[in-house]
Amino acid sequence: NAGVTQTPKFQVLKTGQSMTLQCAQDMNHEYMSWYRQDPGMGLRLIHYSVGAGITDQGEVPNGYNVSRSTTEDFPLRLLSAAPSQTSVYFCASSYSVYASEQYFGPGTRLTVT
Amino acid sequence: GENVEQHPSTLSVQEGDSAVIKCTYSDSASNYFPWYKQELGKGPQLIIDIRSNVGEKKDQRIAVTLNKTAKHFSLHITETQPEDSAVYFCAASIGNNDMRFGAGTRLTVKP
Repeated sequence: NAGVTQTPKFQVLKTGQSMTLQCAQDMNHEYMSWYRQDPGMGLRLIHYSVGAGITDQGEVPNGYNVSRSTTEDFPLRLLSAAPSQTSVYFCASSYSVYASEQYFGPGTRLTVT
Repeated sequence: GENVEQHPSTLSVQEGDSAVIKCTYSDSASNYFPWYKQELGKGPQLIIDIRSNVGEKKDQRIAVTLNKTAKHFSLHITETQPEDSAVYFCAASIGNNDMRFGAGTRLTVKP
C-alpha cells in the first residue's frame, strides 16, 4: 500500500491565484481530512469527510473548498490564495468515521507571495 | 472554542533519562486522546492513544495517563534514545469527527 499520498510537495503561488492540492489513499478509509500546520500552532483541521459525497467544516475552513467524489480522493481547493494561507498542509485518513488513529501524508509546503 | 494546551514547548534530556509531556483540554465530552510523533520533513505518526474509559496505557517505553476529572493527559517516555528526538503532538477529540491538537513539544535527546 502507498498509504496517503499528496501532490505537489512544494508550491509557490501569487496572491489571488487558485490551485488544488491533491490527496489520495489506497486503504479504503472512510474518513479523510485536511490540516494546516503553522509554527507554534500545531495542526488545525480545515475540512473533513466521512465518506464519498459527505464533507464538513473543521476549525479553519475559510478560503478552502473540498469535495469527495470517490472514497480514494479528497482534493483541497484554494479559490483565491492569500499570504495568510502560507503553511504546510497535511492530508490524513482513518478507517473509522469516529475519532481514531489517523494516517498522515507527507505534506505540501505552500508559499503565497 | 475548544482547545488543547501542551507543555513544555521544548524539552531536552540526556539519553537514558525520562521525558514527560503534559496536555490539558477544555471539552469535557472529549473521549479519544492520541499522541503523534513528527520527524523533520514528514507527516505525524501515531505512537500511542487512549480512550476515556481507561486511565493508563503502556507500550514498551511509552505510556500515557489520563485524568478525566482534571481534564489532562500526559505522555511518558522512559529510557530515552537519540531516535526519540522529534516533535510530539497531543490531541483530543471534539464531537465524533473533529480533533484539536496541541502546539507541539520539540524533544531533544542528547547522547
